[in-house]
Amino acid sequence: AQKVTQAQTEISVVEKEDVTLDCVYETRDTTYYLFWYKQPPSGELVFLIRRNSFDEQNEISGRYSWNFQKSTSSFNFTITASQVVDSAVYFCALSERAAGNKLTFGGGTRVLVKP
Amino acid sequence: DSGVTQTPKHLITATGQRVTLRCSPRSGDLSVYWYQQSLDQGLQFLIQYYNGEERAKGNILERFSAQQFPDLHSELNLSSLELGDSALYFCASSVDQDTAYEQYFGPGTRLTVT
Repeated sequence: AQKVTQAQTEISVVEKEDVTLDCVYETRDTTYYLFWYKQPPSGELVFLIRRNSFDEQNEISGRYSWNFQKSTSSFNFTITASQVVDSAVYFCALSERAAGNKLTFGGGTRVLVKP
Repeated sequence: DSGVTQTPKHLITATGQRVTLRCSPRSGDLSVYWYQQSLDQGLQFLIQYYNGEERAKGNILERFSAQQFPDLHSELNLSSLELGDSALYFCASSVDQDTAYEQYFGPGTRLTVT
């Protein structure tokens, strides 16, 4: 069965600090996809990134970067030079090829960026 | 704006009642998913439709049902409502049903059962 664990429930930082969100997943499938979504205070879920299980290259998009390590079943997310607008709940999610396209979400990490 | 629309935005109803939540997917997307976000259970997958047919079921109660219409919009019906059904219900859509495609989420419908 697929499972996603986000051990950090809440992280508080001061603006311009870096923050790293941990995500550990469990799956028996060899083909799977990992996602990060952002849920700002307004409530909508915003897609950030998708990685497939065969692509372990790290990715950087502006102030966001992702580190995918199959050896440790982790897909961590770093926000560099955080800003107040980064305050949100961030969810890591997994979909397995064998289970169709349903997403299994972690519990989420609330990030609070103080000015 | 993800392009996925959901109505209504808020819904307040009493226990025992029945409600219908509506979702219109992004233009061109054939697959629709429903998720429930509650404080107790977090974000949970409920059900998926692809081009009008049910494709996958998650932790969806028997009191809940859904369908996808020929114009691809979807409705989630919740009946015999209980206090514990209070949650944020999201609809998402993707181009296809395969795991390769990301899902784009609507703004959600916040259901409050009193």
